[in-house]
Amino acid sequence: QVQLQESGPGLVKPSETLSLTCAVSGGSINSYSWSWIRQPPGKGLEWIGYIYYSGTTHYNPSLESRVTISVDTSKTEFSLKLSSVTAADTAVYYCAREVPLSDIDTFDIWGQGTMVTVSS
Amino acid sequence: DIQMTQSPSSLSASVGDRVTITCRTSRTINTYLNWYQHKPGKAPKLLIYSASNLQSGVPPRFGGSGSGTDFTLTINSLQPEDFATYYCQQSYGTPWTFGQGTKVGIK
Repeated sequence: QVQLQESGPGLVKPSETLSLTCAVSGGSINSYSWSWIRQPPGKGLEWIGYIYYSGTTHYNPSLESRVTISVDTSKTEFSLKLSSVTAADTAVYYCAREVPLSDIDTFDIWGQGTMVTVSS
Repeated sequence: DIQMTQSPSSLSASVGDRVTITCRTSRTINTYLNWYQHKPGKAPKLLIYSASNLQSGVPPRFGGSGSGTDFTLTINSLQPEDFATYYCQQSYGTPWTFGQGTKVGIK
């Protein structure tokens, strides 16, 4: 059974770059798309972007100028970098697998999430 | 972006109750609508995809309906493990967007 686990620093200083990794276990990363999603405290879920296993990416336009998602198939992990962070980027960050079910893209497997706080 | 509006934002119910949550989209999305359950500290869980299809392993007391701009998640005979926050999400066009969530609490 495929499982996802986020890891990375829980505290990032303003203006610096947030870096997170999602380890994929129990299955192959060489198919489907792999997404990052976040939830600021007290707010809803926001899709950040996805990467296809081949390396093709698609980002939320609201974050596109600051986001980079990459994949390392040899390590079965994918990563998120968010540059020039501010307090507004404080959130729980989730990684998720995106698969088509009945031709509808769905997030069928999620990690438990990791809290990242932006503060000096 | 496609805006998602869920209602209510929270509700209180008892074990055995029937619960209905609605999701309205800012433009028509056919049936490109998914529902998720989220409990604190846990990974969100896919319940329903394509508006009405039950994800494998999800109890049949969960059901979804709707198309176009109006969708409904129904929980028949609410169980103790169903107290959680529920989100709708559209997959019609990127950026994928979510509703703001409906918290189902214990009455």
